[in-house]
Amino acid sequence: QLQLQESGPGLVKPSETLSLTCTVSGGSISSSSYYWGWIRQPPGKGLEWIGSIYYSGNSDYNPSLKSRVTISVDTSKNHFSLKLSSVTAADTAVYYCARHRVMTTQEFDYWGQGTLVTVSS
Amino acid sequence: QSALTQPPSASGSPGQSVTISCTGTSSNVGGYTYVSWYQQHPGKAPKLMIYEVSKRPSGVPDRFSGSKSGNTASLTVSGLQAEDEADYYCSSYAGSSNWVFGGGTKLTVL
Repeated sequence: QLQLQESGPGLVKPSETLSLTCTVSGGSISSSSYYWGWIRQPPGKGLEWIGSIYYSGNSDYNPSLKSRVTISVDTSKNHFSLKLSSVTAADTAVYYCARHRVMTTQEFDYWGQGTLVTVSS
Repeated sequence: QSALTQPPSASGSPGQSVTISCTGTSSNVGGYTYVSWYQQHPGKAPKLMIYEVSKRPSGVPDRFSGSKSGNTASLTVSGLQAEDEADYYCSSYAGSSNWVFGGGTKLTVL
C-alpha cells in the first residue's frame, strides 16, 4: 500500500524559507506513470495546488506561487521536497503531498496526512 | 477566491440524495474531462472519490456519482449516510500544466 509522509519544521519566521519533505513508501517515486505534488490548505479554507514534479525533475508550478516555489526530487531516497521562499502569515497552512496522475487522468489519488506549518515570529 | 465555485453548504436527511455543483469556465471544467472530487473529514487528508468526471476508484461506494454539463460538474451522493458528512472539493485540469480546486462544500446529514 502506497504511503506518503510529510516532514519538516512546524514554525517558520516571516521572510524565511519554508522547507518540507515527502517520503514515499510502498512504491517507487521513479515510476514512469506518476508525478508527485504538493497541495496546501490554510486553516478553515479550501485546497490550493502548489506544484508537481516528475522523477526526472520536470516540474509544474501554480502560476500564483511560481516565483517563490521550488520542488525537487531525490530518487535515491524516494522522496521529494518543497521550498517556499519569502513566506508571510498568508502561507500558514496544512501542507499535503500527494501522488498526481498527470500522465493519465490528472487526479491526486494518494495523499499524505498533512503537516501544519505556521508562519510567525 | 477559488477558481472553481462550489456552494458553501449542502444538506440532506439519511437515505436522501444530494447534489453538489462545481462551476468553472471553458478553460477548466468545460474544456476537459479531468474533473475529480475529494472528501475530507475534519482533521483528515482529502480522499479521492471521483476522477475523470464520473469514474470511481476501487473501494468508493457506488452511492457516489459524478457528471458534467458544460462548465459545471456535479457530485451526487445517493442514500445519504451519517459518515458522508464531510467537506467535498472539486478539482479540474486548467490547461498549461495547471490544476485548480473549488472552495469546498460542507455536506451535513440532518
